[in-house]
Amino acid sequence: EVQLLESGGVLVQPGGSLRLSCAASGLTFSNNAMSWVRQAPGQGLEYVSVISGSGDNTYYADSVKGRFSISRDNSKNMLYLQMNSLRAEDTAVYYCAKRSRDNGGPFDCWGQGTLVTVSS
Amino acid sequence: ETMMTQSPATLSVSPGERATLSCRASQSVKRNLAWYQQKPGQAPRLLIYDASTRATGFPARFSGSGSGTDFTLTISGLQSEDFAIYYCQQYNSWPLTFGGGTKVEIK
Repeated sequence: EVQLLESGGVLVQPGGSLRLSCAASGLTFSNNAMSWVRQAPGQGLEYVSVISGSGDNTYYADSVKGRFSISRDNSKNMLYLQMNSLRAEDTAVYYCAKRSRDNGGPFDCWGQGTLVTVSS
Repeated sequence: ETMMTQSPATLSVSPGERATLSCRASQSVKRNLAWYQQKPGQAPRLLIYDASTRATGFPARFSGSGSGTDFTLTISGLQSEDFAIYYCQQYNSWPLTFGGGTKVEIK
């Protein structure tokens, strides 16, 4: 069974930095693209970033481009999201999600999420 | 960017009745369309992918249809566990985009 477990969400001040982690198990991690998807309180889902299985290709939503950086360590089955210059509007539950294929497909497995709160 | 529009925002349905949810894309996404179910306090769960293929664990009362720009999720004979928020999402082009969701509530 595939399991994704996020960690690292905390309360951080505007302008601060944070790194989220996602531990994956039950899969051949390098075979799948991985993603971060967020959900602001009471709101819908927003794609944040995707990284290919090899880590060579990354994509970002315009709202986080230049501030967030996605990476992975296939030797440790870990996914990361480095978040810099945080804003109040980045407050959300951040989900780690696996894409069904390395070259695309839907998000077929999700973690339970980790809450990031940006506030002074 | 491909905008995804879901309607209605809220759907009130009695248990045992049929629910029909709509998702429209601002440009063709072919059949690269997924539906997710989200219950309060839980992560989303993949329900339908490639517009009409049901994901593992969901019963046959859930069905998806459509292609191009217009898609439908139908839930036949709603059960108590089906009351949730449903999101559509296109994975045809960057950026990946979600619809705003349809909340299916008990009438």
